Amino acid sequence: GQNIDQPTEMTATEGAIVQINCTYQTSGFNGLFWYQQHAGEAPTFLSYNVLDGLEEKGRFSSFLSRSKGYCYLLLKELQMKDSASYLCAVIRSNDYKLSFGAGTTVTVRA
Amino acid sequence: DGGITQSPKYLFRKEGQNVTLSCEQNLNHDAMYWYRQDPGQGLRLIYYSQIVNDFQKGDIAEGYSVSREKKESFPLTVTSAQKNPTAFYLCATGQPSRGANVLTFGAGSRLTVL
Repeated sequence: GQNIDQPTEMTATEGAIVQINCTYQTSGFNGLFWYQQHAGEAPTFLSYNVLDGLEEKGRFSSFLSRSKGYCYLLLKELQMKDSASYLCAVIRSNDYKLSFGAGTTVTVRA
Repeated sequence: DGGITQSPKYLFRKEGQNVTLSCEQNLNHDAMYWYRQDPGQGLRLIYYSQIVNDFQKGDIAEGYSVSREKKESFPLTVTSAQKNPTAFYLCATGQPSRGANVLTFGAGSRLTVL
């Protein structure tokens, strides 16, 4: 099976930085995804990491350490519209099964 | 426009009734997935299909059934055997042969059992 752990909630101020950590245990790791989901809506793709290191995409960056089973999503220059749930997901190489963590609800305050 | 269409968006069901949720895609993706989302529990995989006429159980398949007779369609039936069916159901597609297999999600169907 796969165990994916991430914090339940985080709160930050507009303009600040927030780091969402995620740890995972899986067999046949084939990549890690971050999705953003606003309340009542479908998740949308943010980032994908398959090799160790940092992937930067505008205000969002994602980091992966495969040996530690650890990753994080970094949100910079927070905006009110960034208030959402952020889902960490791991995909396996043998069956391409994608499993999600419970999600981290980020609240951005003025 | 390319995308995924889920219907109905909202559905109410009486206990003991089967219901079928529709998922249609025109992205030409090989793989299709059904997830269930409950508050505080993230997305849990019900069934997935990597190719037409083939599908596999996910983590919570009991009380659900699917079919994949066409590449474009992957309907999910919630049977009366599912003891707690009230949830938000999300259909997704992906293309594993293209490496990252980024999933695209439909807008979801919210099922409420009365």
